[in-house]
Amino acid sequence: EPEVTQTPSHQVTQMGQEVILRCVPISNHLYFYWYRQILGQKVEFLVSFYNNEISEKSEIFDDQFSVERPDGSNFTLKIRSTKLEDSAMYFCASRGVNYEQYFGPGTRLTVT
Amino acid sequence: GQQLNQSPQSMFIQEGEDVSMNCTSSSIFNTWLWYKQDPGEGPVLLIALYKAGELTSNGRLTAQFGITRKDSFLNISASIPSDVGIYFCAGYSGGYQKVTFGTGTKLQVIP
Repeated sequence: EPEVTQTPSHQVTQMGQEVILRCVPISNHLYFYWYRQILGQKVEFLVSFYNNEISEKSEIFDDQFSVERPDGSNFTLKIRSTKLEDSAMYFCASRGVNYEQYFGPGTRLTVT
Repeated sequence: GQQLNQSPQSMFIQEGEDVSMNCTSSSIFNTWLWYKQDPGEGPVLLIALYKAGELTSNGRLTAQFGITRKDSFLNISASIPSDVGIYFCAGYSGGYQKVTFGTGTKLQVIP
């Protein structure tokens, strides 16, 4: 069964450093998403991406964040200068023509 | 912003019991999604609901799209230990570009 994959599973970085989180969505899906989940809290929407551009973004998704689909398979989230409060699980999701979003296993980002 | 409130926040039940949880909003939603999340893992889609009043089952799980389009319900029948986890409702409103997640219901099953 097709699934969303994410790498790395855990990333530790120092405050101020740039990180890139990677996702491979389900191959025939057209809509891509990033979410984050701070430990013990609910899942929060960051950004949606369709047809090579951002469709919608939340207040969390400020100028420090960017997304890219550099080739036909990868979807990346970049945080330019990480802060302590960026520590969270980051989930990628994708969907096809229906509205069912399928999530990856997540990347745990720890900023020290 | 839109908020989805889930109740109960947490529950302990005996194995074999049925479980009900709900999700309410002050806003109308067009599609409801129910997810289960195990610790340290991504949410797994359980059921999707597309029309007001719709009742959909997936094995022992049954979910309903409320008539007002402001709520949804999930029932689990004959619970088993592997039902343990956090259940999230999620919904699309407006242009289907963003999913809002609920606050979650933590389920614990006592064998």
